[in-house]
Amino acid sequence: AQTVTQSQPEMSVQEAETVTLSCTYDTSESDYYLFWYKQPPSRQMILVIRQEAYKQQNATENRFSVNFQKAAKSFSLKISDSQLGDAAMYFCAYRSASGAQKLVFGQGTRLTINP
Amino acid sequence: DVKVTQSSRYLVKRTGEKVFLECVQDMDHENMFWYRQDPGLGLRLIYFSYDVKMKEKGDIPEGYSVSREKKERFSLILESASTNQTSMYLCASSLISSDIYEQYFGPGTRLTVT
Repeated sequence: AQTVTQSQPEMSVQEAETVTLSCTYDTSESDYYLFWYKQPPSRQMILVIRQEAYKQQNATENRFSVNFQKAAKSFSLKISDSQLGDAAMYFCAYRSASGAQKLVFGQGTRLTINP
Repeated sequence: DVKVTQSSRYLVKRTGEKVFLECVQDMDHENMFWYRQDPGLGLRLIYFSYDVKMKEKGDIPEGYSVSREKKERFSLILESASTNQTSMYLCASSLISSDIYEQYFGPGTRLTVT
């Protein structure tokens, strides 16, 4: 079975600075998808960024980018120019490319933005 | 925009009660999911459904059942609520046809069992 590990329960960053959230995963599959989801306080979970394992190029979405290291099974999220609205729980998630379309989530990292 | 709604934001029930959590999505998604979220454990899948009347167990199905009589509605049932089922429950939906689909989440139901 696949597992996802986020080893940083909490992180904090100064507004306008850059922060990196870590995620590692364990799988024997070669084809899969990885996601970062954001859950703001008392608000719905939304997708931040996604990465296909077969793509070597790291995904980027505006201020959000990932560092995908397939051999190391690492998938970190970098947030540049941090804003107060980035404060949230961030979850890393894995999905197999075959079979059931279910997600396996990490434990989450609570990100605080200091003004 | 996809909208996933859940019947209650907060719910307080007594031990032994039968509890129904309802989830409705308005985008004709085939897949629907129920997760529970606990601090330090992330989200864990309870059950999911890829079609009407179809269901599959997730990682922690014990003590729960589900019902999907209509495509847009997916219900989670706690047959006899227990205090260890106090948690945040999240519903999600997604398209089955997309290769790299996105799951859309509801706002969650915070259930307290006393």
